[in-house]
Amino acid sequence: QQQVKQSPQSLIVQKGGISIINCAYENTAFDYFPWYQQFPGKGPALLIAIRPDVSEKKEGRFTISFNKSAKQFSLHIMDSQPGDSATYFCAAPYDMRFGAGTRLTVKP
Amino acid sequence: KAGVTQTPRYLIKTRGQQVTLSCSPISGHRSVSWYQQTPGQGLQFLFEYFSETQRNKGNFPGRFSGRQFSNSRSEMNVSTLELGDSALYLCASSLPGGLNEQFFGPGTRLTVL
Repeated sequence: QQQVKQSPQSLIVQKGGISIINCAYENTAFDYFPWYQQFPGKGPALLIAIRPDVSEKKEGRFTISFNKSAKQFSLHIMDSQPGDSATYFCAAPYDMRFGAGTRLTVKP
Repeated sequence: KAGVTQTPRYLIKTRGQQVTLSCSPISGHRSVSWYQQTPGQGLQFLFEYFSETQRNKGNFPGRFSGRQFSNSRSEMNVSTLELGDSALYLCASSLPGGLNEQFFGPGTRLTVL
């Protein structure tokens, strides 16, 4: 069963714009919320992760925000660049489940 | 540190055959997980091994099996291949505990004709 629901399925953003990807989870036992980034021909790689004792974590242009009451966490990519074009996955490590993925295309 | 390695990288089989894929985790990582990735279904969890024991299993038929050796290397086997088994099979290793970062290999692209 799907433990994490990710949206949107695909996203097209202009260079310099903000990309926002959302993930909703069901299991309140989750206490680690990662986002993975996958380029074509490569395996996914951890991009950024957050624990629920903080509501936001920023690493460069990437920000992960967490809303415990809504059971959601989001990835924001500021000043999106063509090199950010990839597929992004949220994950529920506790259940070894991944979201369905969001294919991000950043147009120059 | 060397990353996760998977062999072979590409494989073409015909229906009914069986296949064995191999994964060597990062040195020191004792947990190895396998995933099937297809365009329509995303990343689907197959199973996880830790210390040669299957610790977790996804919803795949018994044709999919795996094992882990004492050096943490892992293999997965798919018997009686079906066309729908065509996918990218990814292996990931991590330190013990489901909360740790998973390090993925490049995958094995399996095509079933």
